[in-house]
Amino acid sequence: GDSVTQMEGPVTLSEEACLTINCTYTATGYPSLFWYVQYPGEGLQLLLKATKADDKGSNKGFEATYRKETTSFHLEKGSVQVSDSAVYFCALISRVGSQGNLIFGKGTKLSVKP
Amino acid sequence: GAGVSQTPSNKVTEKGKYVELRCDPISGHTALYWYRQSLGQGPEFLIYFQGTGAADDSGLPNDRFFAVRPEGSVSTLKIQRTERGDSAVYLCASSPLGGVTGELFFGEGSRLTVL
Repeated sequence: GDSVTQMEGPVTLSEEACLTINCTYTATGYPSLFWYVQYPGEGLQLLLKATKADDKGSNKGFEATYRKETTSFHLEKGSVQVSDSAVYFCALISRVGSQGNLIFGKGTKLSVKP
Repeated sequence: GAGVSQTPSNKVTEKGKYVELRCDPISGHTALYWYRQSLGQGPEFLIYFQGTGAADDSGLPNDRFFAVRPEGSVSTLKIQRTERGDSAVYLCASSPLGGVTGELFFGEGSRLTVL
């Protein structure tokens, strides 16, 4: 079945460091891909998305590019801030028979130190 | 507030007891989802409502789990004869467009602990 694999955390970085969180997927057909973020004490919220190959999603300085050839959707940010400390989840919706049921990875906890 | 509201935020119960978890979605959102998140795992789909009907309940783990949404707004997740393995955070999410865009609005969750 469809699945998402993302790098295990926790990831600890200093402020202004570069961030990459790896995400790969297995899916039937052509899924839509997402990054969700959960800040401490808050619910999950959509960070960015891409719906077809070579699309780049971006938001709040984060970017991810839908790579069909490598079945990947890695999350990147050039300069992280303390406020980026959160848990990040990669997710997909399969186009086949989808009713919007997201399939999530296990999450990667990011801690940014001042 | 205008977000998805879940109650209780924390529930501790004993093995074998019955539990109800409530979700109040964003007003006007027709699609409602329940997910379960175990420690160290990502959210796992349980059930999806479009309006009042359960459009997809394929994620419910067994017949001890049941959910309703009688008026197409508030939903209740019901767990009978709870087991220690049911301990998890139960997340509710809603969406205005049936969720096919993938943008779900999540509540903060109800943490269930079964002793």
